[in-house]
Amino acid sequence: SQQGEEDPQALSIQEGENATMNCSYKTSINNLQWYRQNSGRGLVHLILIRSNEREKHSGRLRVTLDTSKKSSSLLITASRAADTASYFCATDTGFQKLVFGTGTRLLVSP
Amino acid sequence: KAGVTQTPRYLIKTRGQQVTLSCSPISGHRSVSWYQQTPGQGLQFLFEYFSETQRNKGNFPGRFSGRQFSNSRSEMNVSTLELGDSALYLCASSLGHIGGAYNEQFFGPGTRLTVL
Repeated sequence: SQQGEEDPQALSIQEGENATMNCSYKTSINNLQWYRQNSGRGLVHLILIRSNEREKHSGRLRVTLDTSKKSSSLLITASRAADTASYFCATDTGFQKLVFGTGTRLLVSP
Repeated sequence: KAGVTQTPRYLIKTRGQQVTLSCSPISGHRSVSWYQQTPGQGLQFLFEYFSETQRNKGNFPGRFSGRQFSNSRSEMNVSTLELGDSALYLCASSLGHIGGAYNEQFFGPGTRLTVL
């Protein structure tokens, strides 16, 4: 079963625009992680935010976490065509496994 | 540092056969996890191994099994294959600190299994 629901399921934007993806989850977490996947290949870790953190930045990525609402958002600023991929949130609930969300497919057009 | 490697990359089998997939983690990583990815079910956790011990197992039938060797390399086996086992099988490694929160996972490219 999947812990996270991501919204939107698909997002299409132009290069230079910002992309925002949201993730909601159901149970308490140790941390929440975001991953990117290109065309059915392996996943690449983007960022990890711990349950006691509210915001984290990494390059053009900004992640927020609201544990009271059980939600997180990933913002990609100044998107590039190379950002085209599927993005997944994944929660660590303390049982040595990640539970992945349903994913958001992002298309960035030149 | 070399990344996570998975072999084979592609595999075609027929129903009823069995298959073994292999995963070599990043050097120094002691935790190896396996995930199944399908269009319908998304990414589903199969199992996690740390120092040759299975610490957690997902909700999959007993046809799915795995093991980890002393060098941290891992294999997963699926017996009596079914059409629904067609999927991308992903392996991930991490430091896997005991008692700690689940660390950043480093994924391999996956093995795409097709069952005919």
